[in-house]
Amino acid sequence: DGGITQSPKYLFRKEGQNVTLSCEQNLNHDAMYWYRQDPGQGLRLIYYSQIVNDFQKGDIAEGYSVSREKKESFPLTVTSAQKNPTAFYLCASSRAGSRNSPLHFGNGTRLTVT
Amino acid sequence: RKEVEQDPGPFNVPEGATVAFNCTYSNSASQSFFWYRQDCRKEPKLLMSVYSSGNEDGRFTAQLNRASQYISLLIRDSKLSDSATYLCVVNRGADGLTFGKGTHLIIQP
Repeated sequence: DGGITQSPKYLFRKEGQNVTLSCEQNLNHDAMYWYRQDPGQGLRLIYYSQIVNDFQKGDIAEGYSVSREKKESFPLTVTSAQKNPTAFYLCASSRAGSRNSPLHFGNGTRLTVT
Repeated sequence: RKEVEQDPGPFNVPEGATVAFNCTYSNSASQSFFWYRQDCRKEPKLLMSVYSSGNEDGRFTAQLNRASQYISLLIRDSKLSDSATYLCVVNRGADGLTFGKGTHLIIQP
């Protein structure tokens, strides 16, 4: 079955360490996205990519970095520069070029930084 | 005005009742709209797209009012399993979708 996989499900890190969250999809989707969700908040866009080797900043990109070397993969690095990294991180994908294309989400990574 | 606004609730509704909630959006150029459902500590899942003429999927009906810039979701004959947070989502173009903060629905036995 096609889908989008995030790993790990839970991640714990010490403050000051960089950490990379994995996102892989086999839906053959061109577009991929990273969102962050905090308690009681809506999803906020961190980065997105419409095609391989290209990506754009979303609304809250500071302290994060991404790469898109393969169509299937869009890893997110949370750097030590991110002031409040503890959150629920959601990766999503969609068919690019279609304004009516909904997002398909992975099951998320819950990051805790202490 | 926020891009997408929803009443956070919670809406406490008895099982079997009909419940409806709205969502307003600020960008009049928005072209596509969706309702997602999110269970506690889980990822959002697409419930239904919202079409200009309105659309129905079983017990769920979605409506779009472009003139007043709102979309609505109506749930008939509510079930305990309908308890969740319902996210209003608006397409803002190439950089993806804008999500509302969600409306929390609790169906009571």
